[in-house]
Amino acid sequence: AQSVTQPDIHITVSEGASLELRCNYSYGATPYLFWYVQSPGQGLQLLLKYFSGDTLVQGIKGFEAEFKRSQSSFNLRKPSVHWSDAAEYFCAVGVRGNFGNEKLTFGTGTRLTIIP
Amino acid sequence: KAGVTQTPRYLIKTRGQQVTLSCSPISGHRSVSWYQQTPGQGLQFLFEYFSETQRNKGNFPGRFSGRQFSNSRSEMNVSTLELGDSALYLCASSLDGGRVRTGELFFGEGSRLTVL
Repeated sequence: AQSVTQPDIHITVSEGASLELRCNYSYGATPYLFWYVQSPGQGLQLLLKYFSGDTLVQGIKGFEAEFKRSQSSFNLRKPSVHWSDAAEYFCAVGVRGNFGNEKLTFGTGTRLTIIP
Repeated sequence: KAGVTQTPRYLIKTRGQQVTLSCSPISGHRSVSWYQQTPGQGLQFLFEYFSETQRNKGNFPGRFSGRQFSNSRSEMNVSTLELGDSALYLCASSLDGGRVRTGELFFGEGSRLTVL
């Protein structure tokens, strides 16, 4: 069965600093990979996704992620964080089923705090 | 285009009662999935429906059930509520299932259930 590990429960960075959130996955085949962001009291918003092709994917709000098959990783990066980036971030792996992506397995999330 | 709409947003029930949550997917989306989010267990997959049929199911007891209507709207029901059922229940819709395979889920803001 697939699984996702986000080793950092909580990260604090200064506004304007760079950010990297780690994600490792376990899945036998080439997965769908996603990063979602959740603000307090809200649902999940998709930041970016990887299906195939270019291993460096660009997302919304200036985020990017790199798929490294050899390391089973899909780390999220942003060169300069803004106070509005404070939220919880979830990495997820999607199962390539018969019909497409039938379900996601999520990591436990990383809470990002931004200090002025 | 309207997003995924979940109702009610908040509700309080007592142990032993049952609850029904509703989800209206994005127009044109035929796949609807449900996830439970709790602080202890994180995000866990409940089930997924496509064209009124349950295609996938997570590891939840039979007290958790769902259905999908011909207009793709979905409901989930939890019977004999337990304290541990207190959670944010998230619905997500997707284009997947036909010739389109994007693997992308669009989430609603969730229904927060509190069981007393």
